[in-house]
Order: sequence, then structure tokens, then C-alpha cells
Amino acid sequence: DTGVSQDPRHKITKRGQNVTFRCDPISEHNRLYWYRQTLGQGPEFLTYFQNEAQLEKSRLLSDRFSAERPKGSFSTLEIQRTEQGDSAMYLCASSLGDKPQHFGDGTRLSIL
Amino acid sequence: AQSVTQPDIHITVSEGASLELRCNYSYGATPYLFWYVQSPGQGLQLLLKYFSGDTLVQGIKGFEAEFKRSQSSFNLRKPSVHWSDAAEYFCAVANTNAGKSTFGDGTTLTVKP
Repeated sequence: DTGVSQDPRHKITKRGQNVTFRCDPISEHNRLYWYRQTLGQGPEFLTYFQNEAQLEKSRLLSDRFSAERPKGSFSTLEIQRTEQGDSAMYLCASSLGDKPQHFGDGTRLSIL
Repeated sequence: AQSVTQPDIHITVSEGASLELRCNYSYGATPYLFWYVQSPGQGLQLLLKYFSGDTLVQGIKGFEAEFKRSQSSFNLRKPSVHWSDAAEYFCAVANTNAGKSTFGDGTTLTVKP
């Protein structure tokens, strides 16, 4: 059990650029979640997958955001045409069935 | 819609003193309730959870929490705080053990020597 791994840990980009983050869940965990956390607030749910199926998306996930989990293992979260308001910590979590979620250390995105 | 309120943004306690962090939730059915701890630049670590059964639940690192349905509360306690407990603490509610969670805005704990 190597834990949930997220890459990169930090990303600095200019406004308008596209960015992609990767999350590798704990192996055999069938559920994978993405959350966004801004300074001074708790994590906010973005979306989650069960295996490769994306089962729920938050209204926070505008059409500039897309998440995939093509083979039911790792997942990517892409943000197109980044805006200042996208600056946040993006957290990934995974779980096995109905067990509690395990969180990664997050990717911190800074928009210049 | 489910929601969580953590009334205290920042709490300071002396090392060795007792601690209570407050959490109030709003949820229509029986909630799954969680407490997490987050150190700077890191993800969240689960301290404890409650779904059913004994309303006093024990967690890791000497923490416990009590579920009070009548008060819609799930307060976190520790009898004697250690300097290493300084961190941000989040209360969360979900509709299942592994469902999407709604988090409070957190309480930052500072521990004085």
C-alpha cells in the first residue's frame, strides 16, 4: 500500500494555459475522487469515478474542466484556459468499495 | 443539501491541556461523519468516523468524537494535546461511507509550549 500519489506536487502556469494533473490511487481501489481546496476553506467535491465510469460531477466543474479514468486505474484532471480563480490545491482520494477515502498530498496550482 | 459548520476558525491551547473542536452538520438522513487532520502542504488523514452504534467513537492519535443527534453535532476531543497536534482539522459529512463528502471550512489548532 503505497498511498495515493499525485503529480505534480506544484504547478505554476500563466493564465489561459491548459494544465493536466495525474492521480494514482491505491491499487485495487475502485473509487476515485477529485476535490478542490482553496485557502482557508475545506475541500469541495468536484467529481468521482467508480472504476472507469464517472458517476457524478459537481456544478463547480465547469466545461473547462474534464476528468478521465480510462482504464479504471489512474485518473487525470485537465483544466483548459486557466483563470486566476482556478488557483487552488487539487486533492485526489480513493476508496475500496464502501471503505473510507484515502487522500493524496494534492497538486497546488498557481496561476500567474 | 448537506452542510457542515465549524464555528471556530482558530483555537489555541497549551500543551497538555484538553481540546474540543466543534462541528455542526445539516443532513436529512443518518449521516456518515468524519474528522480529518491536515498538516501544511499535505493531504487529509482520517482521524475517526461515525455511522451507527456507540455515539462515542475512538480514533487515532488519542482523539475521540461524540455524535449528538439532538444537537446535530459531532465534536472532536482530546484529553491532553501534544505539540505535534498543531494542524488544521476538518469535519465532514457524507451519505455513505465512501460517498462524496461535504467538508467544513476547518479549524486551525495552535499549541502553545
